[in-house]
Amino acid sequence: GEDVEQSLFLSVREGDSSVINCTYTDSSSTYLYWYKQEPGAGLQLLTYIFSNMDMKQDQRLTVLLNKKDKHLSLRIADTQTGDSAIYFCAERRDYKLSFGAGTTVTVRA
Amino acid sequence: GAGVSQSPSNKVTEKGKDVELRCDPISGHTALYWYRQSLGQGLEFLIYFQGNSAPDKSGLPSDRFSAERTGGSVSTLTIQRTQQEDSAVYLCASSLTFGDPEQYFGPGTRLTVT
Repeated sequence: GEDVEQSLFLSVREGDSSVINCTYTDSSSTYLYWYKQEPGAGLQLLTYIFSNMDMKQDQRLTVLLNKKDKHLSLRIADTQTGDSAIYFCAERRDYKLSFGAGTTVTVRA
Repeated sequence: GAGVSQSPSNKVTEKGKDVELRCDPISGHTALYWYRQSLGQGLEFLIYFQGNSAPDKSGLPSDRFSAERTGGSVSTLTIQRTQQEDSAVYLCASSLTFGDPEQYFGPGTRLTVT
């Protein structure tokens, strides 16, 4: 199974907040990431957080890290139709990134 | 500036043929990474380069896979005697240095083995 786990689907109404959750297993991971993938496209680095931080905010994005529970979340405020995509959580161990299976976010009008 | 570029964007090949996939990292980025995205395996790490050196090749799925990087820039991933299970999207990423947390990905090469 995946070392990084995330729910597969999330449906959210336009204008609401989206929260995507992720759990990881390696407490020695140095960085945790969120990447966005739109259909037919590569991975876009959205944001990342250093493991000794517990929160990072960047415009509409808020990342929360609970290192004790190995839980990472991404909150997208005021979700727009352009936010519809697959969101991947990843942890960095040494030099390599290990990814979850991705959460497909669908924004409905 | 220009991002990571990969070519070809799509490749269809017959089983048993060899293929070469190319990655051009962001200019000045010394670290380069190859990943594979497939339906069955998700996103998996294959190999990375520090400069022209690949210290860890253990992520390559089999000895049919090889990669090289010359001049500290362009990298080529070669798959010999392709099999249907090699069908996937091959993604390349680069970062400024090996320790830099920001890995930027290219658009990928979709490989289909028939």
